Amino acid sequence: QVQLVESGGGVVQPGRSLRLSCAASGFTFSSFGMHWVRQAPGKGLEWVAVIWYDGSNKYYVDSVKGRFTISRDNSKNTLFLQMNSLRAEDTAVYYCARDGRGYSYRANWFDPWGQGTLVTVSS
Amino acid sequence: QSVLTQPPSVSAAPGQKVTISCSGSSSNIGNNYVSWYQQLPGTAPKLLIYENNLRPSGIPDRFSGSKSGTSATLGITGLQTGDEADYYCGSWDSSLSTWVFGGGTKLTVL
Repeated sequence: QVQLVESGGGVVQPGRSLRLSCAASGFTFSSFGMHWVRQAPGKGLEWVAVIWYDGSNKYYVDSVKGRFTISRDNSKNTLFLQMNSLRAEDTAVYYCARDGRGYSYRANWFDPWGQGTLVTVSS
Repeated sequence: QSVLTQPPSVSAAPGQKVTISCSGSSSNIGNNYVSWYQQLPGTAPKLLIYENNLRPSGIPDRFSGSKSGTSATLGITGLQTGDEADYYCGSWDSSLSTWVFGGGTKLTVL
């Protein structure tokens, strides 16, 4: 079955870095765009970034531009989110999600989602 | 302040019907598809509706979606206590070049 498993979350001090991973299985990873979505404690969903299936383009929410980098390794079926210069407001559960349509240069919908990994930015 | 506007909460009795609205603009809902997600307490979101009104396999036909102009609506009929959850709409915003979500609507089944 299609599965996404995030890892790499934890407690980090403001200004430090963290790299999240999302291991994909059960589908042809290299055929699908991938997203990161986060949810601060008690808050709603916030989309963070997308990378096209072939890695040719990436888009970010303004609040993370210049600090976060989304990437993928299609040979290892893994999605990454490199987070630098972390701030308290980056504290959230981070979900990876597969785009709904293969071989697409659009963000279509999210299905499925991983279980999430918690990132806490605190001194 | 979310780009897409949803009511913070809705409620209805078991067996009844409820609708959740999602209002946007021409840069998002008006010219792009809408999808809806259900987030049960303590779990990851799950896709309910995609491309405005299509249901993934396994989603019962009690759930429906529609779009008109710059607004979309999620409908749920035959409400069950297990439907109590947060519901989010989402769409691509062509002006921002970002995906945008609504603020979420908490459904209470009284």
